[in-house]
Amino acid sequence: AQKVTQAQTEISVVEKEDVTLDCVYETRDTTYYLFWYKQPPSGELVFLIRRNSFDEQNEISGRYSWNFQKSTSSFNFTITASQVVDSAVYFCALSEARSSASKIIFGSGTRLSIRP
Amino acid sequence: AAGVIQSPRHLIKEKRETATLKCYPIPRHDTVYWYQQGPGQDPQFLISFYEKMQSDKGSIPDRFSAQQFSDYHSELNMSSLELGDSALYFCASSPREAGGYTFGSGTRLTVV
Repeated sequence: AQKVTQAQTEISVVEKEDVTLDCVYETRDTTYYLFWYKQPPSGELVFLIRRNSFDEQNEISGRYSWNFQKSTSSFNFTITASQVVDSAVYFCALSEARSSASKIIFGSGTRLSIRP
Repeated sequence: AAGVIQSPRHLIKEKRETATLKCYPIPRHDTVYWYQQGPGQDPQFLISFYEKMQSDKGSIPDRFSAQQFSDYHSELNMSSLELGDSALYFCASSPREAGGYTFGSGTRLTVV
């Protein structure tokens, strides 16, 4: 069975602080995809990143970075120099890569609040 | 670039009424997924279709049904609406290659 755990329900930091959102996943598949989505108050799901299970290279995109470690089944997300606009709910998600019709399983989300 | 189109964006219905949500996938995407996100919850998978056939089923109530049409758009039909059906409903589509999902902006359903 697949499962995504985001243990941090809510995080609140002051602007310009760095913040890391944790994500731990479970799957029996050897091939899978991991995702991060941002959901601002407006409600839409904003795609941030997709990572293939065979690619353990860390990725940096501006102030965002992701650390994928298969050994610990973790896919953590760090925001550097946080800004108020980063306030949102962030979801980590997992899907199998076996077929083209594999659904995405979401974690419970982490609500991030950035205080001015 | 074309995105996944969901309509309507907002819908208000009374208890026991029926609602139909529509989803237009990205062209050449052959798989459609439906998700329900209750207040403060994560999106929960309801059902998916691949090449117009149901491919997977999640926690979809019997009062709900869905289908994918010949033009690949999909509709989620919800009958005997209950207050607990109030949620954000997302549709996503993906192409033949695994892992390429695109979500629509969602339909916010309020049952009063």
